[in-house]
Amino acid sequence: DIQMTQSPSSLSASVGDRVTITCRTSQSISSYLNWYQQTPGKAPKLLIYEASTLQTGVPSRFSGSGSGTDFTLTISNLQPEDFATYYCQQSYSTPPAFGQGTKVEIK
Amino acid sequence: EVQLVQSGAELKKPGESLRISCTGSGNSFSKYWIAWVRQMPGKGLEWMGVIYPGDSDTKYSPAFQGHVTISADKSTSTAYLQWSSLKASDTAMYYCARVRPGFHYYYGMDVWGQGTTVTVSS
Repeated sequence: DIQMTQSPSSLSASVGDRVTITCRTSQSISSYLNWYQQTPGKAPKLLIYEASTLQTGVPSRFSGSGSGTDFTLTISNLQPEDFATYYCQQSYSTPPAFGQGTKVEIK
Repeated sequence: EVQLVQSGAELKKPGESLRISCTGSGNSFSKYWIAWVRQMPGKGLEWMGVIYPGDSDTKYSPAFQGHVTISADKSTSTAYLQWSSLKASDTAMYYCARVRPGFHYYYGMDVWGQGTTVTVSS
């Protein structure tokens, strides 16, 4: 199975900040990487698929990059509604594992 | 727009059986893979398995194989997740989610149910 490692596990940031979250996989997955956002008490929401493609309706301040084993989710101009937990997930092979999550908190 | 609506919260005792459901709107439910994802209290997301309601083809994560059963009834656009003998460690939130149409069953999930809380306690 492919192992997923997200970093950091949590971070504090202010409204307007630029935030970067990293996801590393134990083997190359090409660009088969998804990012999800989960706010407390809610179901996850797909933000980005295939490493860099924004899901319909997701604000353009979210962006994704990377290929192979190293991926990044960037949130520019952090908004109050962006304080949440973010998960990466590989879609290269089964089982499609998730990272352990990165909690973005208000500074 | 496809929506997934899950059954309500459950409180069960260890050893009891349980089946929770996920009902899709629209008439294309049988054409999408539907996955189940577990989230234990305060923890991350775990992919459990997936079913294609059109022919009930089912795939499981090795971590969950033999512990749960995934099934579906395409006539009612409903997928199910069931346990024959619950344990306290099954206490979690369970989500169903649609796999992005047209791709492998392990692709990303673009439509999610609201979640079903399962609590197992004596």
